[in-house]
Amino acid sequence: DAGVTQSPTHLIKTRGQQVTLRCSPKSGHDTVSWYQQALGQGPQFIFQYYEEEERQRGNFPDRFSGHQFPNYSSELNVNALLLGDSALYLCASSSGGLAGVEQFFGPGTRLTVL
Amino acid sequence: AQSVTQLGSHVSVSEGALVLLRCNYSSSVPPYLFWYVQYPNQGLQLLLKYTTGATLVKGINGFEAEFKKSETSFHLTKPSAHMSDAAEYFCAVSEGSSYKLIFGSGTRLLVRP
Repeated sequence: DAGVTQSPTHLIKTRGQQVTLRCSPKSGHDTVSWYQQALGQGPQFIFQYYEEEERQRGNFPDRFSGHQFPNYSSELNVNALLLGDSALYLCASSSGGLAGVEQFFGPGTRLTVL
Repeated sequence: AQSVTQLGSHVSVSEGALVLLRCNYSSSVPPYLFWYVQYPNQGLQLLLKYTTGATLVKGINGFEAEFKKSETSFHLTKPSAHMSDAAEYFCAVSEGSSYKLIFGSGTRLLVRP
């Protein structure tokens, strides 16, 4: 049973560029959340997708957008990249619409902005 | 607003010694509480969680945590540290109808031989 998978593993971009990160949830899961983890810090919630809609959003600018596909996989898009966007981006999946359920994390995508 | 405070960015113990990682939270409603572990270059793995019921929660790899509402704490313990326990540990909280996890800044556990 495959867990949460993310691609790519690493990515290097320059300021002003756009990036797309991808996530496939754990089998049987229908909810995907995205987190940003800066170096030496805990993960920060970006947003969560459920039934192909953004259900909740954290304190991130509109440059951060996402999408969920009918097969529950998800993309995170970041436009107009800034140096401060350099971080590990984590995808987490869970099952159902309840709060407090366990979220299963993928290995992350390391984004470096030069 | 919810928040999580982890006391001590680094904790060092000898192999076989007690592990105690501290977590305090603030929440206006009964919280859901989690401990995650992160090994280098990996994602987060759930160690244990508290939702309702018994306040002493047992997790994987011999870890446990106790929810103390009066102290707003959820400290993580393990009776005997193993070298393989060396990692970054994160405490997280969610509450009510919120789906997001709010994480602390993490505690790096070092285990000395």
